Amino acid sequence: GAGVSQSPRYKVAKRGQDVALRCDPISGHVSLFWYQQALGQGPEFLTYFQNEAQLDKSGLPSDRFFAERPEGSVSTLKIQRTQQEDSAVYLCASSRGGRGTSGISSYNEQFFGPGTRLTVL
Amino acid sequence: AQSVAQPEDQVNVAEGNPLTVKCTYSVSGNPYLFWYVQYPNRGLQFLLKYITGDNLVKGSYGFEAEFNKSQTSFHLKKPSALVSDSALYFCAVDSGGYQKVTFGTGTKLQVIP
Repeated sequence: GAGVSQSPRYKVAKRGQDVALRCDPISGHVSLFWYQQALGQGPEFLTYFQNEAQLDKSGLPSDRFFAERPEGSVSTLKIQRTQQEDSAVYLCASSRGGRGTSGISSYNEQFFGPGTRLTVL
Repeated sequence: AQSVAQPEDQVNVAEGNPLTVKCTYSVSGNPYLFWYVQYPNRGLQFLLKYITGDNLVKGSYGFEAEFNKSQTSFHLKKPSALVSDSALYFCAVDSGGYQKVTFGTGTKLQVIP
């Protein structure tokens, strides 16, 4: 079956440009996550959606970062006025369950997309 | 606050030998623990998880992990390493299943033929 897809796979932006990164989660998955992975590091949490609701955006590094999931499926991560420190791989993940789902067994693992490698010059 | 430590940047093991990749965690609530693997030019893949129950958890590709509450550890193990196991391994924790996962910095596993 189809997994999580992300587009574009690679993006080069000039400093100061705005970029939009897209994530198509697995159909029917309630939860959607965005992570930032710097070279040689583990993924760092950015934000979490349960359906269309953004329940946690505590990991967004600045107000230049904005994410949305208006219909509870596809999500877009937007970065305004990109800076060189924004260069990283941006990972999207989805999972079947959600926060507060009754029953421990309904807590599901995350399925990751291939990522978008953003390079800001 | 929650955190994960992977003390080894790289682990080298001979093919056929047992392997261990170490992970310790710190959480305020009940730990939900995970191992993911990242192959070159591929996305992160789930290996196994501990939520509750038996301390020894079995996962994909013959991997297993042991949850040790007193030592706050969740080491990844495999009885016999394969060259194809060479990859980057990440330990992760979610305190209380709150859907906010913290990943470790990763351990590169190199299996030598």
